[in-house]
Order: sequence, then C-alpha cells, then structure tokens
Amino acid sequence: DAKTTQPPSMDCAEGRAANLPCNHSTISGNEYVYWYRQIHSQGPQYIIHGLKNNETNEMASLIITEDRKSSTLILPHATLRDTAVYYCIVKSGNNRKLIWGLGTSLAVNP
Amino acid sequence: GAVVSQHPSWVICKSGTSVKIECRSLDFQATTMFWYRQFPKQSLMLMATSNEGSKATYEQGVEKDKFLINHASLTLSTLTVTSAHPEDSSFYICSALRAAGPSYEQYFGPGTRLTVT
Repeated sequence: DAKTTQPPSMDCAEGRAANLPCNHSTISGNEYVYWYRQIHSQGPQYIIHGLKNNETNEMASLIITEDRKSSTLILPHATLRDTAVYYCIVKSGNNRKLIWGLGTSLAVNP
Repeated sequence: GAVVSQHPSWVICKSGTSVKIECRSLDFQATTMFWYRQFPKQSLMLMATSNEGSKATYEQGVEKDKFLINHASLTLSTLTVTSAHPEDSSFYICSALRAAGPSYEQYFGPGTRLTVT
C-alpha cells in the first residue's frame, strides 16, 4: 500500500475549520484514502474514507485532489474534543490491514 | 452499531506472570480481528491477525509463543502475554473487521493499558 506524509502537528482555534493535509503521491488506482483519529489513551476512531470523489459525513469532509496524490480532511467547526492524532492511511479495498504512520497531532485551542 | 470492547481496560502484573486480554465485537460477527501494540508517542504497530477457527498470523518480529492469540468464536479473540516483562508494558488495541458492501471496515476497541512491574 502507498505511504502517506502528514505534518507532525497543527493548531486550530475552537470553532474554526481544521484542515489536515495528507500527501500520498504513490497511490494506486484501486487504493482508498482512509482517515482515523486517536484521542489520547483511546482506540482509534474511523472518520471517513474515499476513492476519487469528495466525501462528507457527520464528522468531516474529505477533499481528494483530481490526481489523487493528496487529500485534506476538514473538520468544519473544530471543538476541544477534536484534539487528537489524525491518521491518513491509504489501502486497497481487498487489503484488510491498516499500516499506521505517525499522523498529525491536532491541538484545538480555546 | 459496530462496537468493539476490550477487557480489562488496564492491568498491572508482576514480571514473569501471564496476562489475558479479551476483545469482543458486541453487535456484529468478526471472522477477522487484529491486535496492535502502541508505545508512548508512537504509532500503532500491528502484531497479528486473528482468524476465527484457525491459527493467527503474526507480523515479522512478533513472537508467537509469547503472544498467544485465540479466536474461538465469531465475537471473541483473546491475546495472552505470557511470561510478561517490563518491556511488554504497552497499550494493546484490538480491532474487528465488519463486512461493508464489497469491502470491510475496521472497528477498534478502547485499548488495554498493560503495566508489568
């Protein structure tokens, strides 16, 4: 599966949008982009995933560039409870394993 | 839906003893579960894939005789850390696969904090 690159840390003001970037320049045509987050001392939580099109759910929006080499996770109105490490993972649909990088540590500040 | 539980949530044991951690899928059946380990300020590291009714598949460098995995039912996998040592102290996380259309989604337990003294 393709590797991903994320900034190690980001800050965001409460109530503002948090935009978390991810580079996956070696992504293959059959690989999805998944986003998870991990709040301190908890198990990871699934956020969203996509293949080509932008996706939105109750938690976030996922914007994937046309060439699919990068994506951005958007938390539209960040709250203090969104402080967590956010992981961008690329994997093919028939691969059941997730390979975890170091993610982006997002701090939402009051 | 798609809830995964772990028990215990934390455990302290003495060096040389064995510890069993349970992972349960509460509202779905999971033929495949995964066990991860996470050291402080590090990412999740996959230890093994637990397959219902068959032997677990271990990642390179993970000792299968030290980390015993049993997946005896479609809702339960257990990880036993045998002869635990202080270096085994870590955050252990399980996940369970649930079918979602043509693919699978992975749902995670809350984790178990193991401290070996």
